[in-house]
Amino acid sequence: DTGVSQDPRHKITKRGQNVTFRCDPISEHNRLYWYRQTLGQGPEFLTYFQNEAQLEKSRLLSDRFSAERPKGSFSTLEIQRTEQGDSAMYLCASSLNQGLTEAFFGQGTRLTVV
Amino acid sequence: QKEVEQNSGPLSVPEGAIASLNCTYSDRVSQSFFWYRQYSGKSPELIMSIYSNGDKEDGRFTAQLNKASQYVSLLIRDSQPSDSATYLCAVNTGANSKLTFGKGITLSVRP
Repeated sequence: DTGVSQDPRHKITKRGQNVTFRCDPISEHNRLYWYRQTLGQGPEFLTYFQNEAQLEKSRLLSDRFSAERPKGSFSTLEIQRTEQGDSAMYLCASSLNQGLTEAFFGQGTRLTVV
Repeated sequence: QKEVEQNSGPLSVPEGAIASLNCTYSDRVSQSFFWYRQYSGKSPELIMSIYSNGDKEDGRFTAQLNKASQYVSLLIRDSQPSDSATYLCAVNTGANSKLTFGKGITLSVRP
């Protein structure tokens, strides 16, 4: 399977705990995006990497959120001191770095904070 | 102000009918436009992309773009029950090619 892969698919955590999600993009794609989606809404942009460089972060991304893409391949998104409002689907997408290209999403990680 | 608007919906059509889904956007410099299909509990799946004014057809799907009116639409011909899903309009809004999404339109195709 050469699509975008995310792990885990589901995560239930207690409020205050830290969680980390992983995204493996399509192998030749050097653009990687994280989005968050809540029920009844479209995905909201969180952050963007081109290779290993984090080039843009949304104002939505509080200091409890951090993302890395250390070798320009897979990426991790960590949420520290989770809150109930963090419950959402976290989506990763990747695309080629060639002008106006299409982005493809992984299966998503469903986070539930209890 | 919301940058991508999908105001109509939910939409219900009988099997075999044409479903018309509409989207407007506010950023005049947007250059690329996408439709994603999302089944309940699943992630968005890209079904159409369009970059220039006019129509683009792919099978039963036709995307239409009018940059002057800042309007993009998706037509689904011969709608099938399997087309029942939420359809998300997405617009490329910036140098980093990040996407801004509408909230989606839920389509139900009645057998």
